[in-house]
Amino acid sequence: QKEVEQNSGPLSVPEGAIASLNCTYSDRGSQSFFWYRQYSGKSPELIMSIYSNGDKEDGRFTAQLNKASQYVSLLIRDSQPSDSATYLCAEEFQDQAGTALIFGKGTTLSVSS
Amino acid sequence: NAGVTQTPKFRILKIGQSMTLQCTQDMNHNYMYWYRQDPGMGLKLIYYSVGAGITDKGEVPNGYNVSRSTTEDFPLRLELAAPSQTSVYFCASSAGAHSYNEQFFGPGTRLTVL
Repeated sequence: QKEVEQNSGPLSVPEGAIASLNCTYSDRGSQSFFWYRQYSGKSPELIMSIYSNGDKEDGRFTAQLNKASQYVSLLIRDSQPSDSATYLCAEEFQDQAGTALIFGKGTTLSVSS
Repeated sequence: NAGVTQTPKFRILKIGQSMTLQCTQDMNHNYMYWYRQDPGMGLKLIYYSVGAGITDKGEVPNGYNVSRSTTEDFPLRLELAAPSQTSVYFCASSAGAHSYNEQFFGPGTRLTVL
């Protein structure tokens, strides 16, 4: 059974700081990983996807993947109060029927001004 | 484009009642998904579909049924509602099987079973 583990938090950081969110996964064969942001009462929206070992940067966001250690992280630089949300880590799985995502429980981030 | 739409937004059911949650997408996506999200938890995959006429079970399919007769619609059926099915239900769609195809989520249906 595939599992994605996240620290539920809350993670509290001051405005302008770097927020670091972490995720571990159980299936060593997993290839693709995603970070979704979910504001309270809203639906998830994709922030980043990462498939290769190393770092991937997009604006203030950097996703990091380490397949040997089976973890994925998301760094948010210059954190803003508008970044306060729950961040969901997801891994892709494939079976005979097709592909879908397995989500972690999410980490709640609070950025104080 | 409206994207992914879901109806109703809210619903209260009594134990044993049945209902259908509607999901429609206008992006001509082949893949559609149903997730449930319990308070403080992540999303759990209920069912998914890779195209009209093709569906498959996800992590938590018990108590639910789906059908996919058209590309646009993917309704989720609860036959005998139970309190354990109290949750927020999200429908999503994506263009294809590859991981670079982003999943787009609907606004959700908040269901309470009493």
